[in-house]
Amino acid sequence: GESVGLHLPTLSVQEGDNSIINCAYSNSASDYFIWYKQESGKGPQFIIDIRSNMDKRQGQRVTVLLNKTVKHLSLQIAATQPGDSAVYFCAEGVAHKLSFGAGTTVTVRA
Amino acid sequence: DGGITQSPKYLFRKEGQNVTLSCEQNLNHDAMYWYRQDPGQGLRLIYYSQIVNDFQKGDIAEGYSVSREKKESFPLTVTSAQKNPTAFYLCASRPTISNQPQHFGDGTRLSIL
Repeated sequence: GESVGLHLPTLSVQEGDNSIINCAYSNSASDYFIWYKQESGKGPQFIIDIRSNMDKRQGQRVTVLLNKTVKHLSLQIAATQPGDSAVYFCAEGVAHKLSFGAGTTVTVRA
Repeated sequence: DGGITQSPKYLFRKEGQNVTLSCEQNLNHDAMYWYRQDPGQGLRLIYYSQIVNDFQKGDIAEGYSVSREKKESFPLTVTSAQKNPTAFYLCASRPTISNQPQHFGDGTRLSIL
């Protein structure tokens, strides 16, 4: 079946640097993409989403980029902070049904 | 505060027992979802419901059952037919108008004694 995946299972980043988390998706029919952050023992927390008719969307310290040509999604976090340490998931699909990737664990070094 | 409440946080099941996980939301969302998360993996959809008294199977529905008698409640029963029930179970909800993100509870961790 279709799958969503992240390029790297782990990412270590220096505090204050920018982070880039990548995600590849395979379902060209997907029209909605979303990033979640999950801290240990908690449920995923919504970060930012983007529709297929857009290629970039910005939030507070975060930017999501969508490249439909190569089916690639990325999350950029500016000025990474210790509180950004978590597992990050991308998901794709139509809004009522999402497919999730396996996640990237981000560790922020002091 | 508005949100999604899952209970209990930890649950233990004996072999051959059915157990029910609770999910309640006061966000007035129409749609609700149940996911299973195993270590190092993404979320897999068990069941979802877009309206009261209606629900659909997700990708891994075997060994699970749900009901949706009230808008705010979507309990999940893990039956004895589920041979590998140890996992982290997450409930989510969302409004059904346009593209809105799913919001999650803080999960129930189920273990087998």
